[in-house]
Amino acid sequence: NAGVTQTPKFRILKIGQSMTLQCTQDMNHNYMYWYRQDPGMGLKLIYYSVGAGITDKGEVPNGYNVSRSTTEDFPLRLELAAPSQTSVYFCASSYRTGSSYNSPLHFGNGTRLTVT
Amino acid sequence: TQLLEQSPQFLSIQEGENLTVYCNSSSVFSSLQWYRQEPGEGPVLLVTVVTGGEVKKLKRLTFQFGDARKDSSLHITAAQPGDTGLYLCAGVGERGSTLGRLYFGRGTQLTVWP
Repeated sequence: NAGVTQTPKFRILKIGQSMTLQCTQDMNHNYMYWYRQDPGMGLKLIYYSVGAGITDKGEVPNGYNVSRSTTEDFPLRLELAAPSQTSVYFCASSYRTGSSYNSPLHFGNGTRLTVT
Repeated sequence: TQLLEQSPQFLSIQEGENLTVYCNSSSVFSSLQWYRQEPGEGPVLLVTVVTGGEVKKLKRLTFQFGDARKDSSLHITAAQPGDTGLYLCAGVGERGSTLGRLYFGRGTQLTVWP
């Protein structure tokens, strides 16, 4: 059981370039999330999805886009990379039903992105 | 603005010492989750506390949820080098615009020296 898989593990971008961070999960979870982690700042939610075809903004969505065409996949797109987007990006998933808000998140191992 | 304040940010101790990490908020949470993260990996859930005043134990780790469900603590007894890592607390919002949302603290980087 692979869980949440993220690719690539590392990437260096030049300012203005674009890229897509891939995320896939094999647990049939309905919720998926993208977080960024900066030193000493904890995890900040970028976007999330409650199911295929439905996405919504988190705390820090500017400069990013997402799509959710299938239950398994939730790619994150950076259109015009900026130095402020240098960070470690984590994809996560969870299974939530009705009013069960306490479901834990299952995280991938992250993508370390540097924009120079 | 950080909804969950976690302290201390850094903790460096010798093997065998005890320690406590705190997560505090002025908001009420429906539950509080604790995660541990090791270098190069994503956070992994340690425990979820749901009821005010609840205490859960995981070997040498003791987790407590405040009576008012606004704060939580993690106590480690006789720390070992294997406990080294980043500890994150995360609260699940209980009402209004925060309902169902997960709010992370900034984390506590624990280093246990042999």
